[in-house]
Amino acid sequence: DAGVIQSPRHEVTEMGQEVTLRCKPISGHNSLFWYRQTMMRGLELLIYFNNNVPIDDSGMPEDRFSAKMPNASFSTLKIQPSEPRDSAVYFCASSFGGGSYNEQFFGPGTRLTVL
Amino acid sequence: KQEVTQIPAALSVPEGENLVLNCSFTDSAIYNLQWFRQDPGKGLTSLLLIQSSQREQTSGRLNASLDKSSGRSTLYIAASQPGDSATYLCALFRNAGNMLTFGGGTRLMVKP
Repeated sequence: DAGVIQSPRHEVTEMGQEVTLRCKPISGHNSLFWYRQTMMRGLELLIYFNNNVPIDDSGMPEDRFSAKMPNASFSTLKIQPSEPRDSAVYFCASSFGGGSYNEQFFGPGTRLTVL
Repeated sequence: KQEVTQIPAALSVPEGENLVLNCSFTDSAIYNLQWFRQDPGKGLTSLLLIQSSQREQTSGRLNASLDKSSGRSTLYIAASQPGDSATYLCALFRNAGNMLTFGGGTRLMVKP
């Protein structure tokens, strides 16, 4: 099994540019999570999908952030326009959640630097 | 609001020592708890998941315990090795959905 796949692994962009992060969850998993990790704030949940439907997006910091899950095998997190304070490592995780609280498996992350 | 604390933030021990990492939480009405390992510049690797009805889980040299009444979980690492050097994070499932709240982590260094 390939695990959770994220792309790109590293992204460097300039302030104001649009950034799109991609995630492929583990096959068969029906829950997908986007997290952000910074030194100051640690790991924070941004948004959570179940069966491709956004369940909780209360962690999304601003309207500049948006996430989609068009099908069970693909999700995107978009930042438009990007700002230097968005610089962080963004993780995608997936689990098989059938109403219980199941083990989450994380991808390798995307390190985003906004200049 | 659930708060998760891990103390100490950093720990250095000689190889071979048994050690305990601590995780405390403010709301005892938790569901499951998951321990992760993170190597520098890498993603998170799941180590153990403790169901809310369980008291402990074991995997190899690792043993995780859960005491909801006292708001504590511990991760015990037996016979530590330099390869155990990493940051260890605990995370609690919230009582609404499958969302995790993370502690700040303990950075462990095992010296040869």
